[in-house]
Formats: sequence, structure tokens, C-alpha cells
Amino acid sequence: KAGVTQTPRYLIKTRGQQVTLSCSPISGHRSVSWYQQTPGQGLQFLFEYFSETQRNKGNFPGRFSGRQFSNSRSEMNVSTLELGDSALYLCASSSGTPGGGYGYTFGSGTRLTIV
Amino acid sequence: QQQVKQSPQSLIVQKGGIPIINCAYENTAFDYFPWYQQFPGKGPALLIAIRPDVSEKKEGRFTISFNKSAKQFSLHIMDSQPGDSATYFCAASPFSGGYQKVTFGTGTKLQVIP
Repeated sequence: KAGVTQTPRYLIKTRGQQVTLSCSPISGHRSVSWYQQTPGQGLQFLFEYFSETQRNKGNFPGRFSGRQFSNSRSEMNVSTLELGDSALYLCASSSGTPGGGYGYTFGSGTRLTIV
Repeated sequence: QQQVKQSPQSLIVQKGGIPIINCAYENTAFDYFPWYQQFPGKGPALLIAIRPDVSEKKEGRFTISFNKSAKQFSLHIMDSQPGDSATYFCAASPFSGGYQKVTFGTGTKLQVIP
């Protein structure tokens, strides 16, 4: 069974640009969540999707957005990139409803570096 | 009410020692408590999870202890090995979901010295 696939694995962008990250969940999983991980900050929740609907959103500015497609694949977009957006962006899928007791399966993440 | 407080931030033990990582939560709606293990360059992986109907759960060398009245839970790693060196995150959520997000602790970086 294939795991959660995130593309690309590494990305270097300059300030002011925008970026789109992709996540393919485990087949059959309908819940996809996104997290930002930076050294010393742990896992910061971005948003959560279930059946193409955003169910939860974290405390990030409107430059961060996402969507989920009918096949459960998800994308997140960051516009007007800032140096502070440099981080590991993790996608996690779950077989249950968001936050439910099925646990997350995480992808390996996309390492985004802003220069 | 959404916080999960995790300690210590970092931990160094010798091979064979028993590192203990502690977490405390506030939201009484939480009734599912997983632990995740993350190696450098990888995403976190679900290690073990517990629900409040039991006070302890063991899987191999990993044990979760749960204290419902104190709203605390901890991870113990028996006979720790250098390969256990990783960052560990506790988390909490309602088991039934209900679209409440999973709340993570801030992580503990464990180093096991040979």
C-alpha cells in the first residue's frame, strides 16, 4: 500500500514568489491535514480537509491557502513568500474524520527554502 | 484549552536506559492520545496510542502510561537503543473526530548514547 506522497521534496524560492505543494494521501483516506514544521516550533497546524471541504484552519495569514480534489489529493499554496516561510511542510492523511482516533500517516514533507 | 504541554525539550540517555517523556493536556474532550516518532528528513510516524479506558499500554519496548485525573500521559522507552534517537511528539484529539483538529506537543529530541 503506497504511503502519503508529497511533491516536490525540496524547493528553493525567492521572496515575493508563490509556491504550490502537492499531497497524495493513502488510497481510501479522505482526510488530509497540512502542518508547518520549523526548528523549535514543533508542528504548527495549517488546515484540514475532508471530502473536498476545509474543516479546520490554523492561525496562519491568508497567504496560505489549500484545496482538496475529488480524488482526495490536496494542494497548498503560499503567495508572496517571506523568509519566515522557510520550513518543512508536512501532509498527513487519515482514514477517519478529521481529528478522529485513526491516527495520521505523514508524508516525508516538502522542504521549502526562501532566499 | 487546546494546548498539549510536552517535556523535556531534549533528553540524553545511555544505551539501555529508560527515557521518559511527559505530556499534559487541558481539554477534557480529548480521549485519544497518540505518540509519533520522527527521524531527520522524514515525517512523523505513529508509534503507539492510548485511550483513557486503560492506564497503560505496551507495544514492544514502548509503553504509554495514562493518568486521567491528572490529565497527563507519558512515553517510556525500555532498554533504549541508539536507533531510538529521534524526535518524539505527543498528541491529543477526540477519538470520535467531529472535525476538531489534532493538537501536538512541541516535541522531545531524544539522543541515546552507545
